Amino acid sequence: NAGVMQNPRHLVRRRGQEARLRCSPMKGHSHVYWYRQLPEEGLKFMVYLQKENIIDESGMPKERFSAEFPKEGPSILRIQQVVRGDSAAYFCASSEGLEETQYFGPGTRLLVL
Amino acid sequence: QQQVKQSPQSLIVQKGGISIINCAYENTAFDYFPWYQQFPGKGPALLIAIRPDVSEKKEGRFTISFNKSAKQFSLHIMDSQPGDSATYFCAASPFIGNQFYFGTGTSLTVIP
Repeated sequence: NAGVMQNPRHLVRRRGQEARLRCSPMKGHSHVYWYRQLPEEGLKFMVYLQKENIIDESGMPKERFSAEFPKEGPSILRIQQVVRGDSAAYFCASSEGLEETQYFGPGTRLLVL
Repeated sequence: QQQVKQSPQSLIVQKGGISIINCAYENTAFDYFPWYQQFPGKGPALLIAIRPDVSEKKEGRFTISFNKSAKQFSLHIMDSQPGDSATYFCAASPFIGNQFYFGTGTSLTVIP
């Protein structure tokens, strides 16, 4: 049973470009969470999605950031017009149900030049 | 505002010793407390978790102690090994499946 998969593992963007991060949850999991980790810090919640629905986006910046989890395909975290401060590791987690624990992917390390 | 406070920031332990990492929280609505282990370049991996209806949970060399009245919980790693060297994060959630609030992490180094 494959774990949570994220790609790309590393992403380099110049300021002003768009970054697209993908997350494929574990098989059978329909709940996806995105977290951001800055160097030397813990993970900060960004958004929680179920298939085709955003359940909680309280941790996501109001501008430039968006997330989706379509009926088919991976969940995508999209960052438009990236700035240097967006450089971080972005982790996706998935769970089977609302009251199940979360399993994390290997992360995407975004570097904005 | 840091919902979960974790200490120490770093810890060096001799092989065979006991590693202890502490966390404290304020929100009494939290009722699920997992610990995650993270190696460099990897995602966090669930180590052990506890609900507040028990005061202690043990899995192998890893033990969580939970003090509900003090709103504190800690991870004990018995017989620490060099392979345990990693960053450990505590977390808390109002219920499993809701967003997790993470501590800032403890970098553990176990020296041979």
